[in-house]
Amino acid sequence: DGGITQSPKYLFRKEGQNVTLSCEQNLNHDAMYWYRQDPGQGLRLIYYSQIVNDFQKGDIAEGYSVSREKKESFPLTVTSAQKNPTAFYLCASSIRWGTENTGELFFGEGSRLTVL
Amino acid sequence: AQSVAQPEDQVNVAEGNPLTVKCTYSVSGNPYLFWYVQYPNRGLQFLLKYITGDNLVKGSYGFEAEFNKSQTSFHLKKPSALVSDSALYFCAVRGILTGGGNKLTFGTGTQLKVEL
Repeated sequence: DGGITQSPKYLFRKEGQNVTLSCEQNLNHDAMYWYRQDPGQGLRLIYYSQIVNDFQKGDIAEGYSVSREKKESFPLTVTSAQKNPTAFYLCASSIRWGTENTGELFFGEGSRLTVL
Repeated sequence: AQSVAQPEDQVNVAEGNPLTVKCTYSVSGNPYLFWYVQYPNRGLQFLLKYITGDNLVKGSYGFEAEFNKSQTSFHLKKPSALVSDSALYFCAVRGILTGGGNKLTFGTGTQLKVEL
């Protein structure tokens, strides 16, 4: 079955530590996204990538970093510079933007990060 | 910039009764509108979308949504609610990212609670 796999599902981190969240997709989608979800705030875009070896900052990129070395993979690193990292992180993908692309995103199951 | 408002944090409805979850939007140009559903500690699942055409859009699990251009609304509806419909519902509007690509801007979500 095609889909998006995020790991780990739950992660605990001590303050000052970097942590990397994995996102892998086998939908053959060009575009991938990372969103952060906080209670009562909806989803906010952290980073996105339209194609391999290219990515752009979203609305709340400070304290985060990403890479896109393979089409299937878009890992997110939460660095120690992120002031409030405890949140639910969602990875998504879509076909590349174009006239045929109506914008639907496909989401993974999420990773819940807790900073102790 | 595009935006979405979901004015109700929570909607309570009795099983078997019709339900409505409200959404209003603001966007330049023609709106591409979406509804997603999220169950606890899970990713978002696509329900339906409005791109163009008929103002009444039918989606998954018996849900439908009514697009109203003059009121800039896209309310989610279901004729007969089920307890299993209890979840967090997000409205989203498509925007265009710098350099192309889709950005979905999400509302803050509405918790639907269906009771026996």
